[in-house]
Formats: sequence, C-alpha cells, structure tokens
Amino acid sequence: DAEITQSPRHKITETGRQVTLACHQTWNHNNMFWYRQDLGHGLRLIHYSYGVQDTNKGEVSDGYSVSRSNTEDLPLTLESAASSQTSVYFCASSGQGFPDTQYFGPGTRLTVL
Amino acid sequence: AQSVTQPDIHITVSEGASLELRCNYSYGATPYLFWYVQSPGQGLQLLLKYFSGDTLVQGIKGFEAEFKRSQSSFNLRKPSVHWSDAAEYFCAVGPSNFGNEKLTFGTGTRLTIIP
Repeated sequence: DAEITQSPRHKITETGRQVTLACHQTWNHNNMFWYRQDLGHGLRLIHYSYGVQDTNKGEVSDGYSVSRSNTEDLPLTLESAASSQTSVYFCASSGQGFPDTQYFGPGTRLTVL
Repeated sequence: AQSVTQPDIHITVSEGASLELRCNYSYGATPYLFWYVQSPGQGLQLLLKYFSGDTLVQGIKGFEAEFKRSQSSFNLRKPSVHWSDAAEYFCAVGPSNFGNEKLTFGTGTRLTIIP
C-alpha cells in the first residue's frame, strides 16, 4: 500500500546544529508539504513543493529550507536550530487532481535544547 | 485570505452522547472543506471532505458534516460518541485554485470522552 513516512520520529538536538527531517511518499504525488504543529496554532505551513525542482515558502519559513530532487522525497532542513523550532513536524502529500486530499505522515517530534 | 475558526478549544462529552464540533471559514470562492482527526501521537487522518454536491457529507467512523454556505460553516457531527473518538479534530479549507494547493487549518478542538 502507498504510504508517507517520516524519519526520525523523535529527535533531540542542540541550539545551532543543522538538522534534516526526512519525508518519503510512495503515492507518486506531485505535491508535498511541511507543517509544524504547536499548541494554540494548529498546523502552519513551512514549505511546499508542486514537483521536482519546485519549492515555495509557506507562512513560517524563516530558518527552514527544502529541496526536491525526486518525486518521492522532500527533506526539511533547519540550518541552525533554535529553541523556537521545538515542535512536531508533519509532512503531507497530494496528487495532481484538483481538488485533492492531503495525506499526512506520522510526524517527527523535534526538541531543540 | 482564507481562514478557519474552530471556536471550541476543548469539548468534553459523555460516552454515548451526541457531538457537534464547530467550524467557520472565510473564503472568497467555493470552498473545499475537510475534517481531519489526530489521535495522540499520531498523524492526521482524513474523516471527510466536501468538494461539491450534497451539502451533507458522510465520513468514516460514523461522522458526518454539513456545509452551510449562508453561515460559512462546516460543522462535524456524530450521533453517539465512543471512547475511541477522544482525539484532536481539525477543520481545513482550500485549495483555492488549481496550482495553489495549500490548505489552511483551524487551531483544532480537543475532544475528551467521559464514561
């Protein structure tokens, strides 16, 4: 069955370190999204991609970057981790049909000390 | 800009009682609306969606939602809740047009079930 996976599921890092969160989907979806979830804010969009080599900034993109070299993967990089980036991160994907449903991964809990 | 409001942060319901979770949206065109559920420590699972047609939509786990354009609402209902329904529920709106596939989420409603 098609799925979307994230790794690691839990990560503890230190302030200033570079961190990369992986997202891999086997739906063959063109669209991929990264969200962060914080209490009182729901899900906020960080970055998204509509296809290979395409990346776009969401509403909370500062301090984050993504790259899309193939259809299946959209890694999220925190260039220099900050305590404010402690959060739960979700990856999602959707297909080319409009409108289409977004399917979510299980999430990565990141703690920045 | 599109937005979603879930006015209830936390709702407590007795097992077997009926449930209604509120969702109001602001959107400039025909909205596409979604309800997702998140169990503790899990990702988001789609409960149901409204794209067009019948304004009363059925979803998984016995949930339904009604789209009311005049009230800009898409409330989620269940006639009799089970302890396993305890979770966080998110309403979302979008995408706005082809080529702009983003969703806007509400802040969520946490549902607690008491015996």
